[in-house]
Amino acid sequence: AQTVTQSQPEMSVQEAETVTLSCTYDTSESDYYLFWYKQPPSRQMILVIRQEAYKQQNATENRFSVNFQKAAKSFSLKISDSQLGDAAMYFCAYRTFLGGGADGLTFGKGTHLIIQP
Amino acid sequence: EAGVTQSPTHLIKTRGQQATLRCSPISGHTSVYWYQQALGLGLQFLLWYDEGEERNRGNFPPRFSGRQFPNYSSELNVNALELEDSALYLCASSRALTGNSPLHFGNGTRLTVT
Repeated sequence: AQTVTQSQPEMSVQEAETVTLSCTYDTSESDYYLFWYKQPPSRQMILVIRQEAYKQQNATENRFSVNFQKAAKSFSLKISDSQLGDAAMYFCAYRTFLGGGADGLTFGKGTHLIIQP
Repeated sequence: EAGVTQSPTHLIKTRGQQATLRCSPISGHTSVYWYQQALGLGLQFLLWYDEGEERNRGNFPPRFSGRQFPNYSSELNVNALELEDSALYLCASSRALTGNSPLHFGNGTRLTVT
């Protein structure tokens, strides 16, 4: 079974600064998908960014980018120019290639990101 | 495009009662997933439905059950409620079995068992 580990329960960053959230995973599969979701106090899980394991190029979405290290099974999220609206719980998630895996997504336990004004 | 909708937003029940939670997926999505998010435990997978069939379930007792209707909406039932069932229950939907299709989540139902 796949596991996802987020080793930082909480991170704090000054507004406009850059922060990196860590995520490692364990799998025996070679093809899979990785996601970062954010969950603000409104509770809704919002997709931030996704990465296909077969792509070497790191995904980027505006101020959000990932550092995907397949051999190290590492998938960190970098947030540039942090904004107050980025404050949320961030969850790293893994999904099998065909999506027919056992549980849709395997989530890490989350990192609480605090933005200091 | 309407998102995933869940009802009710909040639900308060007494230990031993039954709770029914509802979810409507995004139009065109056939897969529905249920997750339990208890304080400090992250998201725990409960159930996965696709095309009206239960495809898999997580490590939860049988009193957690559900179904998916022909219009792909879904219902989660929790029988014989226990205090530890108090949690946020999230529903998500996606297109059929391709890993690239991300899960889209609803706002959840907050279940409180007293």
